[in-house]
Order: sequence, then C-alpha cells, then structure tokens
Amino acid sequence: GAGVSQSPRYKVAKRGQDVALRCDPISGHVSLFWYQQALGQGPEFLTYFQNEAQLDKSGLPSDRFFAERPEGSVSTLKIQRTQQEDSAVYLCASSLNTATGGYTFGSGTRLTVV
Amino acid sequence: QKEVEQDPGPLSVPEGAIVSLNCTYSNSAFQYFMWYRQYSRKGPELLMYTYSSGNKEDGRFTAQVDKSSKYISLFIRDSQPSDSATYLCAMALQGGSEKLVFGKGTKLTVNP
Repeated sequence: GAGVSQSPRYKVAKRGQDVALRCDPISGHVSLFWYQQALGQGPEFLTYFQNEAQLDKSGLPSDRFFAERPEGSVSTLKIQRTQQEDSAVYLCASSLNTATGGYTFGSGTRLTVV
Repeated sequence: QKEVEQDPGPLSVPEGAIVSLNCTYSNSAFQYFMWYRQYSRKGPELLMYTYSSGNKEDGRFTAQVDKSSKYISLFIRDSQPSDSATYLCAMALQGGSEKLVFGKGTKLTVNP
C-alpha cells in the first residue's frame, strides 16, 4: 500500500483482556518499529525488527508485551492481561533500509483499557 | 532528567509569524536529529532530518543543530494555519539501535 496501515484504529479492552494490534508496513520496507504514545507525551520506543529478526526489544515495558514479524512483512503487537496503564496510542513505523530516523509512521491504534 | 527536553507549550502565534521551536538533550552521543509534525489523531510525519551539527533549510523550515550546547531548533517562516500541529524533536545514536528518542512535543496553533 501507499502508507503504513494499522488496525484496528480504536480498541477498547476490559482490564485483563488480551489484545492484538496489527501493522502492515510499506511493501519492501526492511525495518519495522513499534512505539507507544501516552496522552500529551512523545512516542516511546518499544521494539525494532529488521526483516523477521527482532533486533531490539529493550523498550517493551513488561513480559505482557510481545511482538512478532514472522515473514518479515506484517507485524503484530500483543498485550496480555491488559492494565489501565497500557492505555495509549500504539504507533508502527517502517523504513526502506536502516537509514536512521527516516521512518514512515502509521496513524496508530488507540487502546483504551477500562 | 529526561534524555530529551522539549517545552510542551502550547504556543499560539498569528499567521505570518516566525516560529521557533527548541529541544535540549543530555546524551552527547546523539548524532541524528529530526523534527516530526503530528496532526491530531495522526502519526508523526518527518519534516527535517540532520546528521551531526549545522543548518538545513527546506522551504519555510530551517533546522539547526548545536552539538556543543546540546540544543536543536526548528524555525518556521511565514507560518500558516495549516502549520497548526504538535512538533516533536527526535534523536538517535550512530551505529547503535535504530530507535529514536523523542521530546514531549510542542503544540502550535497558528491563528488566521
């Protein structure tokens, strides 16, 4: 597609529920990133893939967060046993190569945990 | 202290004004400096990208990096109502992880 596509755009989850957020990067983009953006804050890094390899997961806040990109294209961010502090916008970004910072972001998934 | 500090504003200016947005940082190892624009309910969009120190100009936008002061700026000339958005500075290390460290963002409103 023309841009990075994320689904769903909005997700309301009950506390304790598991959620899965999907990212379709730009076709052919090698690098894929997940960021978390709390209200009124800048995005914070969660994890980074180069093709199917997860090269950096240092930003994942707990072992309830898990990301995968099994075929080097679509990626899924999974959050188990959601908690209220997980409420945020989850942004996915991709880039053609490893040129630092030249990302294209998707519009994000807004997760609200009630 | 956060690695990247940015005054969140809000900043309100009349149309045609020159806007100055700034960030300071503490990690002298940062080598890549970026400014992103984020409209409400959208993802950030890359505006300017600078490697190391110096100035870069693109149309009405000028980015400056002063590594000795650990200070970066974005100037917007002849500001337009369509420039109303949140502006995020971001930085990255060289040769390490590809992750960006963002500032909090400054919310700008340009009034017609």
